Amino acid sequence: ILNVEQSPQSLHVQEGDSTNFTCSFPSSNFYALHWYRWETAKSPEALFVMTLNGDEKKKGRISATLNTKEGYSYLYIKGSQPEDSATYLCAFRSGTYKYIFGTGTRLKVLA
Amino acid sequence: GAVVSQHPSRVICKSGTSVKIECRSLDFQATTMFWYRQFPKQSLMLMATSNEGSKATYEQGVEKDKFLINHASLTLSTLTVTSAHPEDSSFYICSATVAGSYEQYFGPGTRLTVT
Repeated sequence: ILNVEQSPQSLHVQEGDSTNFTCSFPSSNFYALHWYRWETAKSPEALFVMTLNGDEKKKGRISATLNTKEGYSYLYIKGSQPEDSATYLCAFRSGTYKYIFGTGTRLKVLA
Repeated sequence: GAVVSQHPSRVICKSGTSVKIECRSLDFQATTMFWYRQFPKQSLMLMATSNEGSKATYEQGVEKDKFLINHASLTLSTLTVTSAHPEDSSFYICSATVAGSYEQYFGPGTRLTVT
C-alpha cells in the first residue's frame, strides 16, 4: 500500500516567522510530486509540480525542494503572513498516474 | 484560467434517496476528471477516474453501482450517490486535467450529509 505522510499535522507560527513542513512518499515508481494550498471553503490551489530529483521551486515567499531517492519534499514559507494560513497538501503521483494525497499540514499564522 | 466549479456545495438528504453532484470545467476542456472523497481527519481518497465518453475506472473498494459517474462532455462530469446511507456522509471533491499536463484543477467540493 502506497502511503504519503505529512508532518506536522498542524502548527501555529507568529507573523514574520519562517516555517517548513515535510512530505514523505514512496521512493519507487515516482512520476511527480504536487503541493497544494487549500483554504477553507475554496478549491485547493496548485503551488508546485516537481518531477526531478533535486528540483527546487519558488513562488514568492514559498519554496519547495524534492528528494526522490529518499522520498521526501520540504515546503518552506519565509516571513509567514496571516494570509498564508491554510492547509498545505502534498500529492504523490506514481507511474500509473494516480494521485495519493497526504492528510495535510494545517498552518495558522498569528498576527 | 483553469476554474472548476462544483454544485451543490452542501446537500442534506434522507437515507435511501439519491444525490447528484456536478463538476464543471469552466474555461477549459477536461479530458479526464477525478472524483475524491475525504472523511474527517483523513486524506483525499481517489474514488474513480473518468474520461469523456467512456466508462469510469473505479478504485478498489468503491462500488460502481452505488457511485454512478457520467462524463458526457469535455466540461461536465457528474457523480450520483444512489440510495444514500449515513455512512456515505462525507466531503466529495472533483478535479479535472488536460491531456499532457501534469496539473489537476480542483472544484471547491461538496459536503454531503445523509440523515
